[in-house]
Amino acid sequence: GQQLNQSPQSMFIQEGEDVSMNCTSSSIFNTWLWYKQDPGEGPVLLIALYKAGELTSNGRLTAQFGITRKDSFLNISASIPSDVGIYFCAGSTGTASKLTFGTGTRLQVTL
Amino acid sequence: GAVVSQHPSRVICKSGTSVKIECRSLDFQATTMFWYRQFPKQSLMLMATSNEGSKATYEQGVEKDKFLINHASLTLSTLTVTSAHPEDSSFYICSSQDRGHGGYTFGSGTRLTVV
Repeated sequence: GQQLNQSPQSMFIQEGEDVSMNCTSSSIFNTWLWYKQDPGEGPVLLIALYKAGELTSNGRLTAQFGITRKDSFLNISASIPSDVGIYFCAGSTGTASKLTFGTGTRLQVTL
Repeated sequence: GAVVSQHPSRVICKSGTSVKIECRSLDFQATTMFWYRQFPKQSLMLMATSNEGSKATYEQGVEKDKFLINHASLTLSTLTVTSAHPEDSSFYICSSQDRGHGGYTFGSGTRLTVV
């Protein structure tokens, strides 16, 4: 099945640093979502984006819906140890439509 | 917020046996349930989409006779892995959308190990 290209694949950063990751697609999506997955758990929604160009924040997280509707990025500011996990982007073409997931970004935070 | 309860969280079964995984929407009506499979260190891959009261739609390459999906009510969808083989060992996750709140909610996943 189709997957979105997500980069970087993994990141090792120090506590307090900012993080940036992005997701690109060859096709257009109407909704972009960012999830975090801890080991052995299901993904948990971080931010949902519904409009091209939209910039949305959730605490230390900021995400943007690219104006071409083919990309999105997620920024995490002032990282802390509990930010460790795998981050996935996901795109949807409409309400109740299936999600297409990115390849994931594994984040490691060192003290 | 919307909650999807998935059981069991872990299951070990012998080759050739069948395993049933349940997903329940606790505080909303799940008209549509998505079933994903995730192999170690990989992303989630959609297996099938189930709609209440109708047949599930399977993604290309997913055997519908092996992965039986039942969505008989608006709050319960089940995935049965029939005649399981070791290569079916994976992390299975369900997801649905509470249209009143937007966003897709995921179950906590089921780790299936076939020995």
